[in-house]
Amino acid sequence: DAGVIQSPRHEVTEMGQEVTLRCKPISGHDYLFWYRQTMMRGLELLIYFNNNVPIDDSGMPEDRFSAKMPNASFSTLKIQPSEPRDSAVYFCASSFVVIETQYFGPGTRLLVL
Amino acid sequence: GESVGLHLPTLSVQEGDNSIINCAYSNSASDYFIWYKQESGKGPQFIIDIRSNMDKRQGQRVTVLLNKTVKHLSLQIAATQPGDSAVYFCAEKNNAGNMLTFGGGTRLMVKP
Repeated sequence: DAGVIQSPRHEVTEMGQEVTLRCKPISGHDYLFWYRQTMMRGLELLIYFNNNVPIDDSGMPEDRFSAKMPNASFSTLKIQPSEPRDSAVYFCASSFVVIETQYFGPGTRLLVL
Repeated sequence: GESVGLHLPTLSVQEGDNSIINCAYSNSASDYFIWYKQESGKGPQFIIDIRSNMDKRQGQRVTVLLNKTVKHLSLQIAATQPGDSAVYFCAEKNNAGNMLTFGGGTRLMVKP
């Protein structure tokens, strides 16, 4: 298995622009998680899905952030409009029904100028 | 993934020595714990896990110890190698939810 796949790996954009991050979970995994990692706040859970349905989005910082999972093999995290404070590494992770062991993707490094 | 930077606690060990990385957790209801390793430019990688009904679990060169009395978790790495250099995170899951809460991480530096 190729593991969790994320794209792009790096994104540089200007404040106010829309940013879309993509994730392909490991095939057969029922849960998908979006995390954000910064030096100041560490690793934070933003939202997670079970069988494509959002279960808990309490970690989503603002209405500027939205996430979708149209099918079992694809999810997006969108920021619109982006702000410099959104600069971080965004990770996607997935797991089986027993969700404890989460497998992380390589991350997307986002820089908003 | 650039995980953390200047303010991480750092453990520096000599190649071949054993390493012990500690983690304190706060939620006495947590029933599952995981250690992750994060190398520079990569996502966290699962190392080993332990459930709250156990106090010790061993893997290949790694051992996790759980002390529920003082809410303390440790990761022991035997015969530390340069490839073990990374940031190590503990994570806990409480029995009421499905989410993991991550600790701040410890940077392990292995000197050749």
